[in-house]
Parts: sequence; C-alpha cells; structure tokens
Amino acid sequence: RKEVEQDPGPFNVPEGATVAFNCTYSNSASQSFFWYRQDCRKEPKLLMSVYSSGNEDGRFTAQLNRASQYISLLIRDSKLSDSATYLCVVTQFNYGQNFVFGPGTRLSVLP
Amino acid sequence: GAGVSQSPRYKVAKRGQDVALRCDPISGHVSLFWYQQALGQGPEFLTYFQNEAQLDKSGLPSDRFFAERPEGSVSTLKIQRTQQEDSAVYLCASSPGGPGIPGELFFGEGSRLTVL
Repeated sequence: RKEVEQDPGPFNVPEGATVAFNCTYSNSASQSFFWYRQDCRKEPKLLMSVYSSGNEDGRFTAQLNRASQYISLLIRDSKLSDSATYLCVVTQFNYGQNFVFGPGTRLSVLP
Repeated sequence: GAGVSQSPRYKVAKRGQDVALRCDPISGHVSLFWYQQALGQGPEFLTYFQNEAQLDKSGLPSDRFFAERPEGSVSTLKIQRTQQEDSAVYLCASSPGGPGIPGELFFGEGSRLTVL
C-alpha cells in the first residue's frame, strides 16, 4: 500500500463548479500536511498548508482528519486556470524531513 | 535568479552511460531534496541533505544512484550505467527549514532524462 493515496482522476468539471479531492495517508505519525499544485510539464508549487482546525484561502478550503488519516481540498467557483494536478503531501521526520507525495489528482475545468 | 536552478534541463543518454544532474538551491536554504517523477506519477523521494550531510538516502533505487552536496550548497545527482527505467524527470527542491521544521519546498524546473 502506498503511503499517500489519491484518486488520480481526471476530474472534469464545468467552470463555476465546486470540486473536492480526498487524500489518505498510512503513517499515523505523520506530522505536517500540504497541498501542492503542478501544472503540466512544470514543477510542483505549494498551494496551501493543511491545519487540524481546517483553513481557507480564497476559493480553496483544506481539512485534516487525523483520526481517519485523510486530508481534503475543496475548490469553489472553479476557474479554467485551476486546471492542474493537485498533489497531497505528508511529512514524516526520520533523521530530518521527508516529504512524501501522493500520485496526484488531475483536474480539468471546462468552459 | 533567486529560485532553484537545475541543469541540464534535458538529457538524452544511451543505455550504459553515466549522467550527472546539477542542482543550485536557493541561497541559504538548509535542506535539499531530490525526487524522481515518472510520467503521470507524483514525485518519489530519492534523498535528503541537511547542509552537506546526507541524512536520508532511502529512496535511491539502486547503488547506481549517488548524490552529494559537498559544501552544503550545490548538489549533484549521479546515475551510473543508466537503464531505460531511469527515464524520468529529476526534481530538486530546497527548503529553508532544518530538522523538525517543515518549511515550504521550492522546486527547480527539473531535469528530464531520457535513456535510449
């Protein structure tokens, strides 16, 4: 079983739709959580951190459920420019840091 | 520029050749990571440096892969006797955080390796 799992999609949604992605992780000792965005043939970039209390950044809302070991990302009023792959990232501290990436969920927002 | 710089951007190698990929992290960043990303997959962890110390190399797929960061800044990932399954994008990322500080990862644009 992969340490971080995501539905690969693709999710094809119309502009203005609300879409939600989930991610599950297997290591209960995981300490920090993030969503990264990766455009086609580009490098990943941080979208937002995920906090236990949940957090919002404009149209994006992230939630963490430690008991069930899953993380969610909600995108409201989706835009064409939101089309990308969304990577769930979990950190584990061994000797230093280890950021573990999920396989990513591909989103296409259609006009 | 101020970002993470990787070279070469594209590399085509014949099977059996050795390759070296360079990463120039953001100045002052303590942590440096190498990832391998196959087409349609998420980045897979290869190795992690804190300054010049290689603290985790558990992700290196075989002893053909070697990474170093001798002066705590520029890092090189070397792949010996390349195989076709080594074809991937190799991403370097740096972070200002040290141990226990999960700072943001800043990625370079990657080095795309194709082994024929």
